[in-house]
Amino acid sequence: SQQGEEDPQALSIQEGENATMNCSYKTSINNLQWYRQNSGRGLVHLILIRSNEREKHSGRLRVTLDTSKKSSSLLITASRAADTASYFCATTNNTNAGKSTFGDGTTLTVKP
Amino acid sequence: DAGVTQSPTHLIKTRGQQVTLRCSPKSGHDTVSWYQQALGQGPQFIFQYYEEEERQRGNFPDRFSGHQFPNYSSELNVNALLLGDSALYLCASSLAPGQANSGANVLTFGAGSRLTVL
Repeated sequence: SQQGEEDPQALSIQEGENATMNCSYKTSINNLQWYRQNSGRGLVHLILIRSNEREKHSGRLRVTLDTSKKSSSLLITASRAADTASYFCATTNNTNAGKSTFGDGTTLTVKP
Repeated sequence: DAGVTQSPTHLIKTRGQQVTLRCSPKSGHDTVSWYQQALGQGPQFIFQYYEEEERQRGNFPDRFSGHQFPNYSSELNVNALLLGDSALYLCASSLAPGQANSGANVLTFGAGSRLTVL
């Protein structure tokens, strides 16, 4: 089974609104990453947060990590139609260094 | 700076046939991982190659095999194709595991090879 599970499975918002996606995982991790995928193409790395970090920012992206709850959230502020994509969280751990385990993603639709 | 390139982009095979997919990693990367992504699901880890050896393997049968060449490029081979092997196959390159920085865990993906098995 997948290590990460994203919630919600699908999200539809209007342009300018904020979008929040959540990820839960099962085992201890080294770090957690978020990726974006446009319409069945390759994934693009967005941001990495280490297990000893609680929050990280990159442009309009804000990621939080709560290792006690084994969960993370990705916030996209002031969304744009171009943000329409699927978003995946991926985790790595000490046992399988270098192997990233993905969830099934959240499909975000931003309506213009 | 070329990213990860994969070939072919699309292919159609019939059950029982064999397929080879190819991947050239991003310049400066020496590790290649392969993922299978079924429609509507997240990528599933197949295996990872570093220094021309398979370093880690996911829960895939022996019909899935691979190879890494001295120039770090890689191939994924699937024998005795089943209908369920229809998927997008993604190659991702990265720095070697255990590198001092966190770059080892940052994957650069190719656009994928979409395999349809009839």
